[in-house]
Amino acid sequence: DVKVTQSSRYLVKRTGEKVFLECVQDMDHENMFWYRQDPGLGLRLIYFSYDVKMKEKGDIPEGYSVSREKKERFSLILESASTNQTSMYLCASTQIGQGNQPQHFGDGTRLSIL
Amino acid sequence: GEDVEQSLFLSVREGDSSVINCTYTDSSSTYLYWYKQEPGAGLQLLTYIFSNMDMKQDQRLTVLLNKKDKHLSLRIADTQTGDSAIYFCAESLGIYNFNKFYFGSGTKLNVKP
Repeated sequence: DVKVTQSSRYLVKRTGEKVFLECVQDMDHENMFWYRQDPGLGLRLIYFSYDVKMKEKGDIPEGYSVSREKKERFSLILESASTNQTSMYLCASTQIGQGNQPQHFGDGTRLSIL
Repeated sequence: GEDVEQSLFLSVREGDSSVINCTYTDSSSTYLYWYKQEPGAGLQLLTYIFSNMDMKQDQRLTVLLNKKDKHLSLRIADTQTGDSAIYFCAESLGIYNFNKFYFGSGTKLNVKP
């Protein structure tokens, strides 16, 4: 089974702090994704990466950056956290390829910015 | 982004069937998915359907796809209290779009005993 592990289930930080959310997958997947989930809005894509050191903006990249130095690890960075970034953050990974390629999710990090 | 739409809430009694509906907009989507999210957890893949199929059955789950109307539904037979969760539909944009997904807003299913 694919395992996607997010480093923290709950995190509380202060406004203006630099925040790192870490995600690791164990299936050698090329693609990795960061989403935020807010009630009534579903999942919105922040950034994704299709290879080491490669990244692409998603639908809501403002206020975030990412890092992918190793294939298995994809980090989301909040450069200067603000209260409107309080949310549930979900990481996912998937294989590149034709056919059925579902995204596999971690358990999420519930981040509160005070 | 693409608009994948779902109703926000559904309430059923234990033992009844549940039907969760979804509409999507990208007619080139090749695979469509249903995920389940229990409280405080990530998304768990439930089932999927290939776009050239009309129906797929997997134990208590039945997926129906109307490609002409871009309508997808998930039927859960004999709904149990353990089925209470948020259900997301998702469309895959395929290999030429990095296998990105667009998700609906999620339908919260409440199963009353």
